[in-house]
Order: sequence, then structure tokens, then C-alpha cells
Amino acid sequence: QSALTQPASVSGSPGQSITISCTGTSSDVGAYKYVSWYQQHPAKAPKLIIYEVNNRPSGVSDRFSGSKSGNTASLTISGLQAEDEAHYYCSSYTTINTRIFGGGTQLTVL
Amino acid sequence: QVQLQESGPGLVKPSQTLSLTCTVSGGSINSGGYYWSWIRQHPGKGLEWIGYVYYNANTLYNPSLGSRATISIDTSRNQFSLKLSSLTAADTAVYFCARGRYTYSYAFDYWGQGTLVTVSS
Repeated sequence: QSALTQPASVSGSPGQSITISCTGTSSDVGAYKYVSWYQQHPAKAPKLIIYEVNNRPSGVSDRFSGSKSGNTASLTISGLQAEDEAHYYCSSYTTINTRIFGGGTQLTVL
Repeated sequence: QVQLQESGPGLVKPSQTLSLTCTVSGGSINSGGYYWSWIRQHPGKGLEWIGYVYYNANTLYNPSLGSRATISIDTSRNQFSLKLSSLTAADTAVYFCARGRYTYSYAFDYWGQGTLVTVSS
């Protein structure tokens, strides 16, 4: 199974909004609403920020939101803050019940 | 609060078998709805799902690993383990254990801190 496709990097200024895309196939992203997003700061474990396309776990800021259209999911971060600078990974359940991750996107807050 | 902690050797020789254990605290591993998983991250790279074990010992693996990976569960110790055989330098990575949650559409809601494994002679 090939990794989901994410842009290598995105950037934005404090207060702005950015969107990170995650493109898969009809065998993963396009098949179910089982897409999740993770934030990873350097030398830390990933942290779940979005599950089931657009749901936030308790304690996650509402500045994070998700969506999906066809085989592409998206993560939007609004009101960018310096602490949002991190790597972001998408993940999906697949039609063979496995899990697959995206290659990751480095977010730089200018 | 659920916590996961990986343990195992930091250095393993090529062709050998890696053994890692994940100890779960703050919750029982012996309950349905959770998929106890191993995920790795090559240096400077993205995440790769290795596989999971369910509380009833059912398992599922990433097809790209062939038959090299084996994940088992020990409910009496609240632990699950990974064995990865026929190691090469390409297996050098940070290995995370994580909990996949059914009610979160299988998302990984708790992670261990990760342990770096280097494959080198």
C-alpha cells in the first residue's frame, strides 16, 4: 500500500488560515469517513487532533477542522499560532482493514 | 489517563529479530473496541503502520512487511509486543506503540513516547 499524498510543506502567518490536503484512493480515503489527522512536534509522539474526518477529541482547539471530498481529505487550521508549527499527518482506514498514513506536511508559521 | 510505554533494545544486529514490548497503564488491554498497534517512523520520515493485535489475539499486519512482523498480547501483564525478524538497516526507526479506538473510527488516540531502534553491526 502506498502512502497517502500530502504536500511536503505549507506556511502561513500568525492569524491566517492554512489547509493541508491528503489524497488517497477509492480503497482508503474515498471509501470511508475514517480519516484522522495527527500533529507531531519535534522528538514527540504524534497527537490525535481530528478523527472521523471532522471530529475533534476533547481538549483539541476548535481552530482545527477537517473535511473530505472524494479521495481527498483536508485539514484546516485557522487563526494560526506559533505553537501550531509542527508536522501534520493524515491517516485512513482501508478496504482491507489496514491503516495507512500520509507522508507528512511540515507547517511553518512565519 | 491511559499511558503506553515502549521498552526494548536500542541496538540490534542485521539479520536478527527485534523484540519490543508496550506496557499499558491506566486502562485494561483486555477489552474490546481497541486495536493495540505498532507504528514506526524512519529518521526524518513519515509514519508507517506496522500492525495491530486485538484483545482476543486477532492480528493484522501491513502487507509491505510480508511475514516479518508478529504482534502478540499478554492480558495478564497488560502488555503487547512486536517481533520483527530478518532485520536490515532499513528497519532503523523510532517505534511507537499506540491505541486504535473503534469509536474514533480506528484513530490512534494514545501513543507511547517512542523508542529508537538502530540496526547495525
